Amino acid sequence: GAGVSQSPSNKVTEKGKDVELRCDPISGHTALYWYRQSLGQGLEFLIYFQGNSAPDKSGLPSDRFSAERTGGSVSTLTIQRTQQEDSAVYLCASSSLAGGGRHEQFFGPGTRLTVL
Amino acid sequence: KNQVEQSPQSLIILEGKNCTLQCNYTVSPFSNLRWYKQDTGRGPVSLTIMTFSENTKSNGRYTATLDADTKQSSLHITASQLSDSASYICVVSAQAAGNKLTFGGGTRVLVKP
Repeated sequence: GAGVSQSPSNKVTEKGKDVELRCDPISGHTALYWYRQSLGQGLEFLIYFQGNSAPDKSGLPSDRFSAERTGGSVSTLTIQRTQQEDSAVYLCASSSLAGGGRHEQFFGPGTRLTVL
Repeated sequence: KNQVEQSPQSLIILEGKNCTLQCNYTVSPFSNLRWYKQDTGRGPVSLTIMTFSENTKSNGRYTATLDADTKQSSLHITASQLSDSASYICVVSAQAAGNKLTFGGGTRVLVKP
């Protein structure tokens, strides 16, 4: 079946603009994650959704970042008033179960965001 | 603070040769350790997943080892191929962390003919 998909694949925006990044998880996966990968850096956890539970937002770097997941499926990561330091690849992953253990996370191809 | 450190940051090997990548972590309490391969411009793909009770796990030419006492893991690539050129990321999951993962900075491997 289809894997995790993300759109757009590339986004160039001007400083101060808002952007929306979309993630379509694997059908039936209850857990969805957003990560950020800056140039030359490791992946940084941003936010985690599991079913109908309140999301874990502990990784969001500022209140300019927000995410929602509608109907337990598609998720949108919104960055308001973008700054140049927001430039990175934003990766989405989904898994069938959460709560530790071996539940493998399947990653999408990422959205490369460039803030000019 | 939970951390995952990888070494070396990068290495170049000749096609057909073997190499070993290292990972040290301080994540506690430990749940499992994963190695991912990330090709340029792509999302990470899981190679192996090991819990504390597993010492070694193989996936084709990739063999991961884990020493939960010393909090060290290694990924050994045997008979490297050009397609092994990628970043290899060590990832550790803490217990009761909602499957939230802590990522190492990765080792960039370049296999030359």
